[in-house]
Amino acid sequence: GQQLNQSPQSMFIQEGEDVSMNCTSSSIFNTWLWYKQDPGEGPVLLIALYKAGELTSNGRLTAQFGITRKDSFLNISASIPSDVGIYFCAGPTTTLQGAQKLVFGQGTRLTINP
Amino acid sequence: DAGITQSPRHKVTETGTPVTLRCHQTENHRYMYWYRQDPGHGLRLIHYSYGVKDTDKGEVSDGYSVSRSKTEDFLLTLESATSSQTSVYFCAISRGRVTEAFFGQGTRLTVV
Repeated sequence: GQQLNQSPQSMFIQEGEDVSMNCTSSSIFNTWLWYKQDPGEGPVLLIALYKAGELTSNGRLTAQFGITRKDSFLNISASIPSDVGIYFCAGPTTTLQGAQKLVFGQGTRLTINP
Repeated sequence: DAGITQSPRHKVTETGTPVTLRCHQTENHRYMYWYRQDPGHGLRLIHYSYGVKDTDKGEVSDGYSVSRSKTEDFLLTLESATSSQTSVYFCAISRGRVTEAFFGQGTRLTVV
């Protein structure tokens, strides 16, 4: 089946630092998604990417859809304590019935030292 | 927040016992999903539903069954719980587009 490999698996940074994480796939996706999960909560969508080469921002977050459609990158600038959490990349596949199943990366756990 | 509620939020059960987790929505969305989250694996799809009484398997469906007898409820049943099913289970709902999908707060299940 399809797999997404996300790296790094964990990051320990100082407040104010920039963060970069990436996700690679064994197959092509036509959409890339980035989610954040706060402790005790479900994942929440941060950014959606729809076109190869696309660069999209959401505040201090910037994500890019790789040209090959097999990778994506997420950057967080000037990190703050509320950025702590687990970040997931995900790619959807559509079933015959129209359901959109998500394949997730393993996640990047971000810890910030104040 | 989307109207999605998972119950129970926490459960400890013994190996070999049946367990049912409930996902309830008030959004009247067509699609409902059950995922499990494990360290090193992210979230993986167990089963999904595309309508009342319409369900299909995901990538890790062995040992699980589901039922959807009405639009608002999607039940996940572990017929005979095993320690490998210790996990955090998330329900998600969607009207169609994945970018409009919402996740519940999760159920932490421990099988001892």
